[in-house]
Amino acid sequence: GDSVTQMEGPVTLSEEAFLTINCTYTATGYPSLFWYVQYPGEGLQLLLKATKADDKGSNKGFEATYRKETTSFHLEKGSVQVSDSAVYFCALITGGGNKLTFGTGTQLKVEL
Amino acid sequence: DGGITQSPKYLFRKEGQNVTLSCEQNLNHDAMYWYRQDPGQGLRLIYYSHIVNDFQKGDIAEGYSVSREKKESFPLTVTSAQKNPTAFYLCATLKGGADTQYFGPGTRLTVL
Repeated sequence: GDSVTQMEGPVTLSEEAFLTINCTYTATGYPSLFWYVQYPGEGLQLLLKATKADDKGSNKGFEATYRKETTSFHLEKGSVQVSDSAVYFCALITGGGNKLTFGTGTQLKVEL
Repeated sequence: DGGITQSPKYLFRKEGQNVTLSCEQNLNHDAMYWYRQDPGQGLRLIYYSHIVNDFQKGDIAEGYSVSREKKESFPLTVTSAQKNPTAFYLCATLKGGADTQYFGPGTRLTVL
């Protein structure tokens, strides 16, 4: 079956540091890939997505590139802020859009 | 104001009682989903519905029931058969033909 593996957290960074959160996947067919963000006590918000190989999703300074050859979709940001502190989920959906498969989430803590 | 509403935000129930969580949407999206989130785990799919009066079991449907009598509403009942119901419950919607799910703010259920 489909699966998503994320690096374990928490990840603790100083403000303005570079962020990478690794995500790899296993899927049948050609999935669409997503990053969602969850702030404390809230639901998930879509951060970015990519629907085919070599596509780059970007939003709010975050980027991720769909790498079919390495089955990866790593999240990056050049300079994090305290307000980026949240839990980040990598997810995929395969044809038919029936079911999102999530990673376990990575907590990011950004300190001054 | 368009969106997904889940109520209440916090819910407390005694063990052995059934409880119903509300999910309402005015996005005119066709599909609706219920997920369960436990600490340190990704989201797991409980039930989903693509059209009114039809729904399917997800990965962890045991101890839960749903109905879809209206397009706008997809209530989830947590029954006394659910052995460990304390969790954060998230509702999501999906527009027909699209691949991106949108999430409500969630309901945190605590069974005492």
